[in-house]
Amino acid sequence: QQQVKQSPQSLIVQKGGISIINCAYENTAFDYFPWYQQFPGKGPALLIAIRPDVSEKKEGRFTISFNKSAKQFSLHIMDSQPGDSATYFCAGIKAAGNKLTFGGGTRVLVKP
Amino acid sequence: DTGVSQDPRHKITKRGQNVTFRCDPISEHNRLYWYRQTLGQGPEFLTYFQNEAQLEKSRLLSDRFSAERPKGSFSTLEIQRTEQGDSAMYLCASSYEGRHTDTQYFGPGTRLTVL
Repeated sequence: QQQVKQSPQSLIVQKGGISIINCAYENTAFDYFPWYQQFPGKGPALLIAIRPDVSEKKEGRFTISFNKSAKQFSLHIMDSQPGDSATYFCAGIKAAGNKLTFGGGTRVLVKP
Repeated sequence: DTGVSQDPRHKITKRGQNVTFRCDPISEHNRLYWYRQTLGQGPEFLTYFQNEAQLEKSRLLSDRFSAERPKGSFSTLEIQRTEQGDSAMYLCASSYEGRHTDTQYFGPGTRLTVL
């Protein structure tokens, strides 16, 4: 059962453009939603995270928008750079954190 | 802080052999997690420990898989009688309960190839 659905599977964006990745979750017990960035051959690295009592969180060029009623959240990468080319995973986790439930991933390619 | 480390980084084995992986978490972290990631997919939870106690195991963790965390420090994941379907990246993560509980930090992974 895929509890976190992520789209698109891949996207190509020009340098300086905006990358947008969307996620939808089913489990209303989730109360923390991190995004991870993964480069080939490496483990996922925490990028930014949000709790459902906040509608938006911004850190540098990365912004999470959260819609609790729709059970959807998205990652926006502003001014995309070639170094942002990676696979991005959204995830959800319940209170008192045990297991992360990941989306299927989005492979982002930023063309110079 | 050296981060989460895993050893080996790569393992190639023949079907039917046993393999063991090691994970060293961030030193003050009391929770340790194992995930499995196949090509093009997100990581899937296998099991987790709080200190030395194994608190949850996924149905993905068949009888051939066993994990330990003696003394609540490093952890090992053993796969017995490996099958080609076990080929994947095995990721370890750690976190600290009570502070930033939800933030799990991942190691670089062990890539297993079963021939």
